[in-house]
Amino acid sequence: AQSVTQPDIHITVSEGASLELRCNYSYGATPYLFWYVQSPGQGLQLLLKYFSGDTLVQGIKGFEAEFKRSQSSFNLRKPSVHWSDAAEYFCAVAPFTGGGNKLTFGTGTQLKVEL
Amino acid sequence: EPEVTQTPSHQVTQMGQEVILRCVPISNHLYFYWYRQILGQKVEFLVSFYNNEISEKSEIFDDQFSVERPDGSNFTLKIRSTKLEDSAMYFCASSEYGYTFGSGTRLTVV
Repeated sequence: AQSVTQPDIHITVSEGASLELRCNYSYGATPYLFWYVQSPGQGLQLLLKYFSGDTLVQGIKGFEAEFKRSQSSFNLRKPSVHWSDAAEYFCAVAPFTGGGNKLTFGTGTQLKVEL
Repeated sequence: EPEVTQTPSHQVTQMGQEVILRCVPISNHLYFYWYRQILGQKVEFLVSFYNNEISEKSEIFDDQFSVERPDGSNFTLKIRSTKLEDSAMYFCASSEYGYTFGSGTRLTVV
């Protein structure tokens, strides 16, 4: 069964600083990988996804993520964080893009941005 | 951009009562899901639904829960005899090539 590990429960960064949120997955084949963001009391917004091809994927709000097969990782990055980026970030994995295959989520990383 | 719509956004119910959470998936999507997020915890899979039947369910999805697609557009989650521990945010999602989530229903059981 697939699993996702987000080792950082909380991260605090200063506005304007760079950000990297870690995600490691466990799955027998190459999975499909996602990052979602959730503001307090809100739903899940898709930031970006990786299905195949270029291992560096660009998403919304200036985020990007890099798939590294050798490290089983899919870390999320942003070069300059804005105060509005404060939220919870979830990494998720699926065997493929649909067909009744469930997403498995990590436990999330809570991002705090200091002004 | 197409959206998944969930109603109500908040529901408060008394323990032991039945609740029905409603979802309108994206019209051309074929696969539907319910997920649950207890406050402060991760998002957990409940059930997936395809071609008018359950394709997979988690151990959480016991006999207390049921899903239905009563017409061509709605997808519902019924929780019978609610318990305090059912209090959570419930998310509906649909997929074709990628997953789209609704904004959730916050269920509070008192």
